[in-house]
Amino acid sequence: EVQLVQSGAEVKKPGESLKISCKCSGYSCTTDWIGWVRQMPGKGLEWMAGIYLGDSDTRYSPSFQGQVTISADKSITTAYLQWSSLKASDTAMYYCAKCSGSNCYFEYWGQGTLVTVSS
Amino acid sequence: EIVLTQSPATLSLSPGERATLSCRASHSVSSYLAWYQQKPGQAPRLLIYDASNRATGIPARFSGSGSGTDFTLTISSLEPEDFAVYYCQQRSIWPPLTFGGGTKVEIK
Repeated sequence: EVQLVQSGAEVKKPGESLKISCKCSGYSCTTDWIGWVRQMPGKGLEWMAGIYLGDSDTRYSPSFQGQVTISADKSITTAYLQWSSLKASDTAMYYCAKCSGSNCYFEYWGQGTLVTVSS
Repeated sequence: EIVLTQSPATLSLSPGERATLSCRASHSVSSYLAWYQQKPGQAPRLLIYDASNRATGIPARFSGSGSGTDFTLTISSLEPEDFAVYYCQQRSIWPPLTFGGGTKVEIK
């Protein structure tokens, strides 16, 4: 069984940096893509970026390219999402989710990390 | 980028009724489309993949159809636990993977 466990909720000020994590356990963690999905309050789902844990190949949505950085540590099957300078508009729930094989549909999801950015 | 447009935004139905949700793609995605259900405070759950295949453990009352640019999710007879928000997602051409804006199925 695959499990994705995300780091806890964060409260930050504008301009601060942040790195959140997603620990993958179970089969195929290093042979499938893991993505980050943003959900702003009361809004829909937005795919931000993905990483292949096997070789750290990354893909970004044009909407988020340059705004966030996705990375991973293959040795501990953990993916990360980081911001260098948060804005209030980054306030959202962030989910990590794992693709199933070559089909990038998200069968497995983390529990979500709520990021609140407020002065 | 492939844009997915879902309609209607809100569907008001009673338990036992049939729900028909639509997802239209700006360009053909072949059959590379999935549907998800999301309940308040929960992560999304994969229902349907490749347009018409039910994911593991999904009840038979959920079915998907379509190809190219027009897709439908049908819930044959709504159960109380089916009232939620539903999203479509394409994997045909990425990055980026894209989601539709969602359809809320609410109790009438």
